[in-house]
Amino acid sequence: DAGVIQSPRHEVTEMGQEVTLRCKPISGHDYLFWYRQTMMRGLELLIYFNNNVPIDDSGMPEDRFSAKMPNASFSTLKIQPSEPRDSAVYFCASSLGRPEPNEKLFFGSGTQLSVL
Amino acid sequence: AQTVTQSQPEMSVQEAETVTLSCTYDTSENNYYLFWYKQPPSRQMILVIRQEAYKQQNATENRFSVNFQKAAKSFSLKISDSQLGDTAMYFCAFMMPPGNQFYFGTGTSLTVIP
Repeated sequence: DAGVIQSPRHEVTEMGQEVTLRCKPISGHDYLFWYRQTMMRGLELLIYFNNNVPIDDSGMPEDRFSAKMPNASFSTLKIQPSEPRDSAVYFCASSLGRPEPNEKLFFGSGTQLSVL
Repeated sequence: AQTVTQSQPEMSVQEAETVTLSCTYDTSENNYYLFWYKQPPSRQMILVIRQEAYKQQNATENRFSVNFQKAAKSFSLKISDSQLGDTAMYFCAFMMPPGNQFYFGTGTSLTVIP
């Protein structure tokens, strides 16, 4: 498996524009997570899905943020309209979601978002 | 809510020396897992070591070991014989089944000095 795949790796946009980040989890993983990384707050959990269903979106900062998982192999995180304070690295991660000794989180390479 | 605290934003260590990174967490649960992840400049997130809360024995992985103090809710990472490739951001993380959501600290930036 190629691991968790995120696109784009870098995104530069202007304030007010819509931004869509994409993620393909590892095949067979039941859980998908979206994180935002900033210097001040580290890695913040934004939302996570179990079997394509959003379970906890309490970390989503405001209504400008939305996430979907239409099927087991694809998820999107959308920001509309984008603001300069949204600039950060956004990570997607997936896991098996089973209480196994080797359970761990697999991360994508992240999307560096810059909103000018 | 679960919280993870890393109180050392930056640390440095001489090559071949030993360094300890601190992490504390807050939870009322009894069954959980703790992790240390490493993020080098490449931005890749790499699992360094994990600890099951029900195990009293501290986990070790080559030069990496943890000091898990469950009562104190402390989970520190010790890196022995530090190498230049250990230079990275280190994140402490907490995971609790059955939801398996992972919560991370703010990270410690470690620099290994030649």
